Amino acid sequence: NAGVTQTPKFQVLKTGQSMTLQCAQDMNHEYMSWYRQDPGMGLRLIHYSVGAGITDQGEVPNGYNVSRSTTEDFPLRLLSAAPSQTSVYFCASSQDTREQYFGPGTRLTVT
Amino acid sequence: AQSVTQLGSHVSVSEGALVLLRCNYSSSVPPYLFWYVQYPNQGLQLLLKYTSAATLVKGINGFEAEFKKSETSFHLTKPSAHMSDAAEYFCAVRNQAGTALIFGKGTTLSVSS
Repeated sequence: NAGVTQTPKFQVLKTGQSMTLQCAQDMNHEYMSWYRQDPGMGLRLIHYSVGAGITDQGEVPNGYNVSRSTTEDFPLRLLSAAPSQTSVYFCASSQDTREQYFGPGTRLTVT
Repeated sequence: AQSVTQLGSHVSVSEGALVLLRCNYSSSVPPYLFWYVQYPNQGLQLLLKYTSAATLVKGINGFEAEFKKSETSFHLTKPSAHMSDAAEYFCAVRNQAGTALIFGKGTTLSVSS
């Protein structure tokens, strides 16, 4: 049981490039979420999903896309990277109202 | 709407001293509250959670928190700090839809010998 996995661990992009951050969970959780963590800001919700085929926006969705074709996977796409998207990204999953389980994070730098 | 305020972005204590990290919440529904810890360059680990059962919640590593509805608080305490407790601590409340968490901005705990 690997829990929540994220790849890559580190990534450097140039402004305007696109990429996908991968997230997978093997706990059969219905709910999955993406957060970004910035110094002094805590974690802010980007997008979330309540099941395969169902996604919605969080607090800071601009510049990011998501899809959920399977219960296990919830990729986050950056369409055209900007320096403001330099951050640490965390994926999380949960079942109903229970606590969220977090992945190890992806540290993204956009130059 | 739900929100969380953590009072004090940085708390410093001596080893063996009481740890008190403050969290106040705002919620339009009965809250589900959480404390997470993050060690340097790692992900978030659940310390404890309040889900409307006992108001005094015990967590891992000797931490506990008390839910006080009248004060809308969920402060985290530990009787005796250890060097290994140095980390960043986040208080969070479940959002109204129950689909994600709303986090405070975090408190960095430093422990000196």
